[in-house]
Amino acid sequence: GENVEQHPSTLSVQEGDSAVIKCTYSDSASNYFPWYKQELGKRPQLIIDIRSNVGEKKDQRIAVTLNKTAKHFSLHITETQPEDSAVYFCAAGTGANSKLTFGKGITLSVRP
Amino acid sequence: KAGVTQTPRYLIKTRGQQVTLSCSPISGHRSVSWYQQTPGQGLQFLFEYFSETQRNKGNFPGRFSGRQFSNSRSEMNVSTLELGDSALYLCASSFRIETDTQYFGPGTRLTVL
Repeated sequence: GENVEQHPSTLSVQEGDSAVIKCTYSDSASNYFPWYKQELGKRPQLIIDIRSNVGEKKDQRIAVTLNKTAKHFSLHITETQPEDSAVYFCAAGTGANSKLTFGKGITLSVRP
Repeated sequence: KAGVTQTPRYLIKTRGQQVTLSCSPISGHRSVSWYQQTPGQGLQFLFEYFSETQRNKGNFPGRFSGRQFSNSRSEMNVSTLELGDSALYLCASSFRIETDTQYFGPGTRLTVL
């Protein structure tokens, strides 16, 4: 089955700096890669997703890049703010079903 | 549109008991997936239902089961509870079954004593 790993497990950045979170996956058939943000005590919320027919997608301060050859995808957050502090989960899914395999999550701390 | 709702939000049970959790998807969504979230294992897929049929199942024992009703609402049941079943159980709904965007509910926090 699919295996998704996230690196690093924790990340601390200064407010205003950029943060990059990388995920690797094992199943070359995976073609859907969402990123979820989960604040303490709250539900995971989708922040951005990418499908395998594109290499990059941007939404304001957030971008995701996908390298299918290397089987990794990354979340880029620019101009970080304290409210970006949360646990971020990456996931990978395969075309014909909605089953998602999640990484273990990374705790991002943005220092004011 | 109202978001995904789950009831109850908190449950405390003892070992050996059984529990039923409920999930109401976003209106119009027909796919409901269930996940178990624990600090050590992260988010793990339990199963997915679409049009009242289980379409996918994760690597969990048969004590974990579920069903979906004609209005797309879903329930999951855990029988013979074990201490290790303590977790946040999240359901997520999507419109289609093909790796569509999933929207999570607030979860049910289950504590097994």
